[in-house]
Amino acid sequence: DIQMTQSPSTLSASVGDRVTITCRASQSINSLLTWYQQKPGKAPKVLIYKASNLESGVPSRFSGSGSGTEFTLTISSLQPDDFATYYCQQHETYPLTFGGGTKVEVQ
Amino acid sequence: EVQLVESGGGLVQPGGSLRLSCATSGFVLSDYYIDWVRQAPGMGLEWLARTRNKANGYSTEYAASVKGRFTISRDDSRSSVYLQMNSLKTEETAIYYCSRRSEISGTYHFDHWGQGTVVTVSS
Repeated sequence: DIQMTQSPSTLSASVGDRVTITCRASQSINSLLTWYQQKPGKAPKVLIYKASNLESGVPSRFSGSGSGTEFTLTISSLQPDDFATYYCQQHETYPLTFGGGTKVEVQ
Repeated sequence: EVQLVESGGGLVQPGGSLRLSCATSGFVLSDYYIDWVRQAPGMGLEWLARTRNKANGYSTEYAASVKGRFTISRDDSRSSVYLQMNSLKTEETAIYYCSRRSEISGTYHFDHWGQGTVVTVSS
């Protein structure tokens, strides 16, 4: 199975901060990586697909980059609505696997 | 509007069975892959199973943790997907989500999710 490792697991930040979350795959997944945002009591919501493509309707402060085994999600200027947990997921190989999540909390 | 609505969750004893349903609307189900994903309390996301679309013969995939105990099926005429869960374990207490895989060429993400249904496995 492909292991997806996210770091950090928790991130304390303030509104306006630039935030970067890293996701590492245990083997190459090409660009078949998706980033999701999840808020308490809600289903995940897609932010970025195929590593760097912004889902329709998602604010442009979110961006993704990377290929192969290392990927990043960047929030250019953190907004109050962005405090949430973020997950990466690989779609290269079965079983599909998720990272352990990164909780972005108020500093 | 695309919608997926899960139902069928509840309290079940260890070793018991439960059948979850995912009712879909706003799109032609036969054109899409549908997956089940779960989330244990306070934990991350775990992919469970997939049913491919009509063009791909409705074939299925399973996570090793549920293979042989869970069965994913679909009834496109009812716009519904199901997850039959047998021999349930206490550690399978979780929110169970169904999700739709994007059919935009070359993309594979889950573009729509249901709200989830809660399964509690306890004696």
